[in-house]
Amino acid sequence: GNSVTQMEGPVTLSEEAFLTINCTYTATGYPSLFWYVQYPGEGLQLLLKATKADDKGSNKGFEATYRKETTSFHLEKGSVQVSDSAVYFCALRSSSASKIIFGSGTRLSIRP
Amino acid sequence: DGGITQSPKYLFRKEGQNVTLSCEQNLNHDAMYWYRQDPGQGLRLIYYSQIVNDFQKGDIAEGYSVSREKKESFPLTVTSAQKNPTAFYLCASSLGEGDSYEQYFGPGTRLTVT
Repeated sequence: GNSVTQMEGPVTLSEEAFLTINCTYTATGYPSLFWYVQYPGEGLQLLLKATKADDKGSNKGFEATYRKETTSFHLEKGSVQVSDSAVYFCALRSSSASKIIFGSGTRLSIRP
Repeated sequence: DGGITQSPKYLFRKEGQNVTLSCEQNLNHDAMYWYRQDPGQGLRLIYYSQIVNDFQKGDIAEGYSVSREKKESFPLTVTSAQKNPTAFYLCASSLGEGDSYEQYFGPGTRLTVT
């Protein structure tokens, strides 16, 4: 079945550090891939998405590239800020299912 | 201003009581979803609905019930049969079934049962 695996947290970085949160997936066909962010006490917000191989999603300085050959969608940011502290979820939606499959989430903490 | 509203933000109930969580959307989305989130964990799908008057069980439907009488509303009832109901509940909607359609989330309801 479809699944998403993302690196376990928590991840703690200093402000302006480079961020990578790994995400790999298992799916049949060509799923769409998403990164969602959840700030404390709130619902999830879509951060970025990619719908086909080699697409790059980007938003607010975050980027992720859909790599079919490695079944990965790693999230990166060149210089993190304290305001980026949140939980990040990788997710996929396959063309054969109406559900979105979420990873377990990675908690990111940025210290000033 | 389109979006999803969930009310209330915090809800307290005594054990053995049923409680209904509200979810309303004005995005004209066909599909709606309910998730449960426990501390430090990901999202688990409870129920989802692709069209009015139709819904399907998700991964953890036991002890929950839903209805979809109107396109914009998808209330979730947590029954007394749910053995561990204290959690953060998230409602979401999406435009349709296409694989590129992302889900939009409400702010969540934190339910505490004592």
